Amino acid sequence: SAVISQKPSRDICQRGTSLTIQCQVDSQVTMMFWYRQQPGQSLTLIATANQGSEATYESGFVIDKFPISRPNLTFSTLTVSNMSPEDSSIYLCSARHRNQETQYFGPGTRLLVL
Amino acid sequence: GQSLEQPSEVTAVEGAIVQINCTYQTSGFYGLSWYQQHDGGAPTFLSYNALDGLEETGRFSSFLSRSDSYGYLLLQELQMKDSASYFCAVRGGTDSWGKLQFGAGTQVVVTP
Repeated sequence: SAVISQKPSRDICQRGTSLTIQCQVDSQVTMMFWYRQQPGQSLTLIATANQGSEATYESGFVIDKFPISRPNLTFSTLTVSNMSPEDSSIYLCSARHRNQETQYFGPGTRLLVL
Repeated sequence: GQSLEQPSEVTAVEGAIVQINCTYQTSGFYGLSWYQQHDGGAPTFLSYNALDGLEETGRFSSFLSRSDSYGYLLLQELQMKDSASYFCAVRGGTDSWGKLQFGAGTQVVVTP
């Protein structure tokens, strides 16, 4: 299993600023991912966080807007840069062990951009 | 690309049985998963089917037909605590340890 914590749990930010979200997993995991979810909507994959190399972004998401770091097997950060109100959402960190199907999710970071 | 379809909402009474269907289109397929998410909570893993057939875990069962690109989640003996959103998700594409893509989710409302 894996227990995931995220910081901050919520934040209210001004447009044009940046916020870095931290994700900590209690065990070494192979795969880490970042998702975005609007309340009542589905989960949209932003990127796969790769240890020691650049993240792999999904269509519609770019590194300049959502830089991601993953310095080791248990920690990752997602930065939401130059925020606008459209970035208001819940950001979820997720992790999975290779060869195991269960994917674990953090509690999410609720972001409101004014 | 990948796409998944599931009903947006299902309402049922306590003790009833609910079936949530999921159809998918994907260029490669490794398995169909189901996740539960309570309001304000994190998604949690329920079940996974890689092969055709039925997998049972307590009150919840999941079924897959690869030839029909179809699966379902069966919730039996519904309880109030089962009120939540349920997402089907496929692991597809070319990478067997790759990413999950989620359906839009089905909100299950359990009434007394």
